[in-house]
Amino acid sequence: DTAVSQTPKYLVTQMGNDKSIKCEQNLGHDTMYWYKQDSKKFLKIMFSYNNKELIINETVPNRFSPKSPDKAHLNLHINSLELGDSAVYFCASSQDTGTGANVLTFGAGSRLTVL
Amino acid sequence: GQNIDQPTEMTATEGAIVQINCTYQTSGFNGLFWYQQHAGEAPTFLSYNVLDGLEEKGRFSSFLSRSKGYSYLLLKELQMKDSASYLCAAMDSNYQLIWGAGTKLIIKP
Repeated sequence: DTAVSQTPKYLVTQMGNDKSIKCEQNLGHDTMYWYKQDSKKFLKIMFSYNNKELIINETVPNRFSPKSPDKAHLNLHINSLELGDSAVYFCASSQDTGTGANVLTFGAGSRLTVL
Repeated sequence: GQNIDQPTEMTATEGAIVQINCTYQTSGFNGLFWYQQHAGEAPTFLSYNVLDGLEEKGRFSSFLSRSKGYSYLLLKELQMKDSASYLCAAMDSNYQLIWGAGTKLIIKP
C-alpha cells in the first residue's frame, strides 16, 4: 500500500489550461503539504494543511488553489497554466507540525510540463 | 535571510567514504534533516539532528554543530545504489523547513 499517492504522475498540457493534481495519504497524518521542485532541484513549500485547515500559504500565484476535503486528501488545482509552472510537484505528509522531529513522507511526484 | 549551502555535485568510488557538507543560516533552529532523492523519485528521510554530535545509522552518519551552523552526512562503504541527490534542510523557529538545492553524488566503480 502506497503511503502517499498522487495522480497523475505525468501531465503535459497547453498554456492557459486548467489542471488538477490529487493527493491521498493513508498514514493517519495530520498535516499535508504541496512542494514545487524546479529544474534547479530546490524544494519550495507552497501550501500546508493541518487537519483540513490552511496553515502555510507561501507567496504563490493565486492561480494555485489547494483543497483539503478531509485530512487524508490534499488536492492542487492550477488555473491558466503558464510555462513557468513546469516543474515536479510533490505532495507530502507528516504526523504533526510545530515539532522538531517532523519527518516528511513524500509522494512520488507529478511532473507537469506546460507547452 | 535564511540560507542553506551544500556542494552541487560530488564524485566518489564504490567502497569508499564520502562526506557531504551543509552550512545553514536560519531564524532560530529546530533541527537539521537529511533526505535522499534518487533521480525521478521522491525524497526519503535519512536523518534528523537537533543536538550537537554524531548520529550513526548503519552505513550513514550525520553530524551537527549548532554553534558553527554546520552539518555533514557521512556515507561509508559506498555502493552504486547510493548514487542520488542528498538534500539538507534546516528547521527554523517557526518549524518551517529551509531546503538546500541538494548535492548530486556520483559513485564510480
